[in-house]
Amino acid sequence: DQQVKQNSPSLSVQEGRISILNCDYTNSMFDYFLWYKKYPAEGPTFLISISSIKDKNEDGRFTVFLNKSAKHLSLHIVPSQPGDSAVYFCAARINNAGNMLTFGGGTRLMVKP
Amino acid sequence: DADVTQTPRNRITKTGKRIMLECSQTKGHDRMYWYRQDPGLGLRLIYYSFDVKDINKGEISDGYSVSRQAQAKFSLSLESAIPNQTALYFCATSESGTGNEKLFFGSGTQLSVL
Repeated sequence: DQQVKQNSPSLSVQEGRISILNCDYTNSMFDYFLWYKKYPAEGPTFLISISSIKDKNEDGRFTVFLNKSAKHLSLHIVPSQPGDSAVYFCAARINNAGNMLTFGGGTRLMVKP
Repeated sequence: DADVTQTPRNRITKTGKRIMLECSQTKGHDRMYWYRQDPGLGLRLIYYSFDVKDINKGEISDGYSVSRQAQAKFSLSLESAIPNQTALYFCATSESGTGNEKLFFGSGTQLSVL
């Protein structure tokens, strides 16, 4: 069973509006969470991360929120731009487990001009 | 030039054939990984290596083997390819350290097994 789930395979948003991508996890041992962004024909690239000791991390237009009690994290993109159109993967890691990440299935974001 | 280079970019092969996917990196990282991506399943770890003499199985290692020929090179082999190994394969690297290091991915190899 997948320990990290992204229940929305796709999301369509108008340029300038907010994009909210969601991710749920089941393993309470996860202590570090990351978002990766993937364009077609390219490998995933790191976007933003958050440690379990925080509930929010912000980097420019991107903010990740973590709700540990709900085992839920979300990525907010404000304002959304057409160049943000990509597949977004959330990933989680257990401390002291090397750097092995468990990935969600991905959400394809389409930002319409 | 790409920091993490995978060859080939695309490969079509037949059931039962042996194939090798290659990965080289110029980032100077000790840690290297092989993942496969399937639609809806995200990326799943096949094998990883923390240095030249270290090889570890990941979540889905059956049917695969790896070789860490040097710090910069990590190859993935399918000894006898089968159709359900059709997937997008990614090599990745990371630094050694506290464990919060980011993964850096290659551009991927699309493998089709007929």
